[in-house]
Amino acid sequence: KNEVEQSPQNLTAQEGEFITINCSYSVGISALHWLQQHPGGGIVSLFMLSSGKKKHGRLIATINIQEKHSSLHITASHPRDSAVYICAGRSGNQFYFGTGTSLTVIP
Amino acid sequence: DGGITQSPKYLFRKEGQNVTLSCEQNLNHDAMYWYRQDPGQGLRLIYYSQIVNDFQKGDIAEGYSVSREKKESFPLTVTSAQKNPTAFYLCASSMERTSSSYNSPLHFGNGTRLTVT
Repeated sequence: KNEVEQSPQNLTAQEGEFITINCSYSVGISALHWLQQHPGGGIVSLFMLSSGKKKHGRLIATINIQEKHSSLHITASHPRDSAVYICAGRSGNQFYFGTGTSLTVIP
Repeated sequence: DGGITQSPKYLFRKEGQNVTLSCEQNLNHDAMYWYRQDPGQGLRLIYYSQIVNDFQKGDIAEGYSVSREKKESFPLTVTSAQKNPTAFYLCASSMERTSSSYNSPLHFGNGTRLTVT
């Protein structure tokens, strides 16, 4: 069993839909990272959070420490949001990565 | 602009040859990491380094070697001993100066896709 589990693995949405990607972790972590991987392979850090909620534009990330669960929400989804979204938990020097959620937003 | 540069983007090698992947950062970060990404799997740690001239094995270090002679550079050599080297390789860095910096973000390069035939 992986230390970090994501769901769903694949997600297809119509443009404008509200999207939620879930991440559960089983290890103690100091921070939870949400990453975006573009089709070309490059990875961009979207959020790093250790409690509560963060918002950046149409993206919102939340974390529930007690339940060891985090969610990434995308409001008013757009085709340019199509990418793989990866959550990763940090524990000391180690990062534990989920396998990613592949999102396709159809115009 | 600060960032991480990986080169080359695509690399093709014959089986039995060693190959070195380059990773350079100008972010003044202390910690650098090499990850391997295979389809359907999360990123797996090959090696990491927290300081110049020091590095630690990750979960899948067998068949790989690294050096950290300069803060900016962390090259990865894929040796002929690596049984299944074809993969996407990502280099990353983060600031690791103080205990509070354990919550610093990870910065990634654009990756190198290695194909060994």
